Amino acid sequence: DAGVIQSPRHEVTEMGQEVTLRCKPISGHNSLFWYRQTMMRGLELLIYFNNNVPIDDSGMPEDRFSAKMPNASFSTLKIQPSEPRDSAVYFCASSFGQGRDQPQHFGDGTRLSIL
Amino acid sequence: GQQVMQIPQYQHVQEGEDFTTYCNSSTTLSNIQWYKQRPGGHPVFLIQLVKSGEVKKQKRLTFQFGEAKKNSSLHITATQTTDVGTYFCAGNQAGTALIFGKGTTLSVSS
Repeated sequence: DAGVIQSPRHEVTEMGQEVTLRCKPISGHNSLFWYRQTMMRGLELLIYFNNNVPIDDSGMPEDRFSAKMPNASFSTLKIQPSEPRDSAVYFCASSFGQGRDQPQHFGDGTRLSIL
Repeated sequence: GQQVMQIPQYQHVQEGEDFTTYCNSSTTLSNIQWYKQRPGGHPVFLIQLVKSGEVKKQKRLTFQFGEAKKNSSLHITATQTTDVGTYFCAGNQAGTALIFGKGTTLSVSS
């Protein structure tokens, strides 16, 4: 079975540009999570969707970040405008179940560099 | 707010030595999970503990959940080079977000 699929794997862009990260969760999973990982801050939850509805977006850094889940098989995380401090690895994860106690399956991540 | 602390941050061992990482929470947890991330890879789920005092084993890995459900440990017996990576604990209270610790990075020399 295919795991969580993220694209692109790597993104290098100049500050001020719009960045869109994409995620396809595991088929049948109804919870989706976006995380950001940096050396300084570790793994931080940005937003959590359940059944395509954003449940908790308290981790979204600021208005420059937005996330959507138009259907059960696709989600995007957008940064506009991007800044150098947004450089990080962004992971998407999915799980099956209502709550947040279920084991999460992570994609390979998008390594984002903002110059 | 809820915090999950892990120690040590780094650990280097000789192949064949044992390794333990500890996880402590400021609040009582409903469950704790452990993940492993290889260098350049993504976190991979290892195990979930939900009961007070629970102990689970996976081959050379032993996981414990404290009696008060505020701490946990992962012990690896006789480390191998394939054990290299960062081990994360993650816990939450019921209905809240899973909080990840900063991880313990294990290096093994042969």
